Amino acid sequence: SQQGEEDPQALSIQEGENATMNCSYKTSINNLQWYRQNSGRGLVHLILIRSNEREKHSGRLRVTLDTSKKSSSLLITASRAADTASYFCATDTGYSTLTFGKGTMLLVSP
Amino acid sequence: ETGVTQSPTHLIKTRGQQVTLRCSSQSGHNTVSWYQQALGQGPQFIFQYYREEENGRGNFPPRFSGLQFPNYSSELNVNALELDDSALYLCASSLVPRPGHNEQFFGPGTRLTVL
Repeated sequence: SQQGEEDPQALSIQEGENATMNCSYKTSINNLQWYRQNSGRGLVHLILIRSNEREKHSGRLRVTLDTSKKSSSLLITASRAADTASYFCATDTGYSTLTFGKGTMLLVSP
Repeated sequence: ETGVTQSPTHLIKTRGQQVTLRCSSQSGHNTVSWYQQALGQGPQFIFQYYREEENGRGNFPPRFSGLQFPNYSSELNVNALELDDSALYLCASSLVPRPGHNEQFFGPGTRLTVL
C-alpha cells in the first residue's frame, strides 16, 4: 500500500518558473523525505524534514510539513530543464522503512 | 552517484523461473532495503536487512527472499516468477535503522522483465 499521495500527477512549466508539488499521507510519521527519479532509474534523496520541523530549505528547494493536516509541499524555485524528473514523497513511520507515493512527473521546458 | 551498485542492469526471464539480483551498499552502510517499482508507480518496500538479518518486511509473498553478507552486500531472490513481477528493483543502503535518521541512498536499479 502507498501512504503518500502526490498532487498533481503531472506538472508542465517553463524554465524560470516555480514548481510546487504536494503530498498527503495517512498515519503518524517520524519524518518525510522527497526524492527525485530521472527516467525510471535510481532515486536521489533531496531533503528530509522531521516531524517536529515545519519548514526546511536546501538550495532552490523549500519543503514544508503540516502534521495536523498530514501534508507536505515541495517548492522548486527558478526551475531548469535539468529539473525534469519524477518527484516522490516518502514517509518514515518506523525503523528505516519508507512508504512512497505515486509521484509527480515534472516537465520543465526551455 | 551514491556509491550503491546493482547488477545486472537488465534481465529478461520467463514465467516460473527464478532470479537473483545483487546490490553492493555504500561504504560504511550496514543496512540494505529492497523496493519494487512497477511502471508508473512509486517504489514499494519489500524487506530490509540489518547486520545480516531481516529487519522488516513489506506485503510480499515468501517467494521473495533475501540475504545480506558480512560485507553488507545483499541479494534479492524471487522464485516462481510471475508476469506481475516485471518491475524496476531498487536497492537502498543506509547507515543505521534509527527513527528519524534514515536517509537512504539508492542504486540505479535492475529492470526485470518476465515473459
